[in-house]
Amino acid sequence: AQSVTQLGSHVSVSEGALVLLRCNYSSSVPPYLFWYVQYPNQGLQLLLKYTSAATLVKGINGFEAEFKKSETSFHLTKPSAHMSDAAEYFCAVTGGGSNYKLTFGKGTLLTVNP
Amino acid sequence: DTAVSQTPKYLVTQMGNDKSIKCEQNLGHDTMYWYKQDSKKFLKIMFSYNNKELIINETVPNRFSPKSPDKAHLNLHINSLELGDSAVYFCASSQGSGIGYNEQFFGPGTRLTVL
Repeated sequence: AQSVTQLGSHVSVSEGALVLLRCNYSSSVPPYLFWYVQYPNQGLQLLLKYTSAATLVKGINGFEAEFKKSETSFHLTKPSAHMSDAAEYFCAVTGGGSNYKLTFGKGTLLTVNP
Repeated sequence: DTAVSQTPKYLVTQMGNDKSIKCEQNLGHDTMYWYKQDSKKFLKIMFSYNNKELIINETVPNRFSPKSPDKAHLNLHINSLELGDSAVYFCASSQGSGIGYNEQFFGPGTRLTVL
């Protein structure tokens, strides 16, 4: 079984500030980890994914995440927030091999203040 | 071209009615999914089909019945709608079968409101 915990249901930053969205996972097998973004009234779009290659993963729109097995974490960061980054962010996990069921965290709403 | 499309985008109906939501993907993917997103934005998988075969069936009331006429389409039929069924329903698809690291592509969602 696997699960994801996103710390902080709402994160607010100023434009140009660092964005840090936290995600911790639990999995009985080596996980695959994902960050998805959902803009208002839209579907989900993949930002980046970890699939057991490099532990530092770069995604779209300047986001990156680092897989830390010792901390069971996969936090999402962006050096400088932009107004267009305001959205709901979801961390998700699947197990390895044939376990492709995607389990989502509860989401973190990012607001960016001018 | 829209990769994963859903119809309708909005659906407002009375309790007790039966309704369907349609999903189509033009990505050539083998696997399709239905998710429910509740009012608190929590996303939970409901069903998954691989090449028209049901492979994931979560604890969902049997009033919900998915149907996959071919691997590009996955429809969701809901009988006897209840107030608690109000949510946004997302269709998604991914490449391959049983491969956990493949990205899932999501449709724009169908907002169902049961009155």
